[in-house]
Amino acid sequence: NAGVTQTPKFRVLKTGQSMTLLCAQDMNHEYMYWYRQDPGMGLRLIHYSVGEGTTAKGEVPDGYNVSRLKKQNFLLGLESAAPSQTSVYFCASRPRTATGELFFGEGSRLTVL
Amino acid sequence: EDKVVQSPLSLVVHEGDTVTLNCSYEVTNFRSLLWYKQEKKAPTFLFMLTSSGIEKKSGRLSSILDKKELFSILNITATQTGDSAIYLCAVTTSGTYKYIFGTGTRLKVLA
Repeated sequence: NAGVTQTPKFRVLKTGQSMTLLCAQDMNHEYMYWYRQDPGMGLRLIHYSVGEGTTAKGEVPDGYNVSRLKKQNFLLGLESAAPSQTSVYFCASRPRTATGELFFGEGSRLTVL
Repeated sequence: EDKVVQSPLSLVVHEGDTVTLNCSYEVTNFRSLLWYKQEKKAPTFLFMLTSSGIEKKSGRLSSILDKKELFSILNITATQTGDSAIYLCAVTTSGTYKYIFGTGTRLKVLA
């Protein structure tokens, strides 16, 4: 079982470049989330989606865009990367009917020079 | 503003010690509190607590919630080097889909 898969796992960008992180889940989950994790800051919510075609802003959405065109995929885009976006990004998902655990991907480490 | 605070931020112990990690919260319409363990990669789920005073237990790990005083503790007895990790606490609230995470407690267990 793949669970939640993130690609790429590592990426180095120059300031101003754009890129997209892909999150794919094979558990038929309705809810999907993108978090960033920085030292001493815990996990902070960037954007989330409660279903195909719907997205919403989280705690730190500036500089990011997202799309959920298919139920199984949740894309996180950086249009013009900044050094402040250097972080580890985690995608997570859960089914609508359960109020319990989030299932996490293994993370994507992004460095912006 | 909803807030989750964990303490201590970091902790170093020796194998065999018992540790207690704390998670306090200030949120509107509390629904549940979750504990996760994060080693090198993805956080892995430990417990979910919704009711006060009912201990959840798994091996050497246990957790309890106090909804009156707005906190939870995670206990680890007879610690092992494999318990070295960041322990994350998250809170969910009714009416939203969000999980609010604390900053985590970094535990290091020395052999």
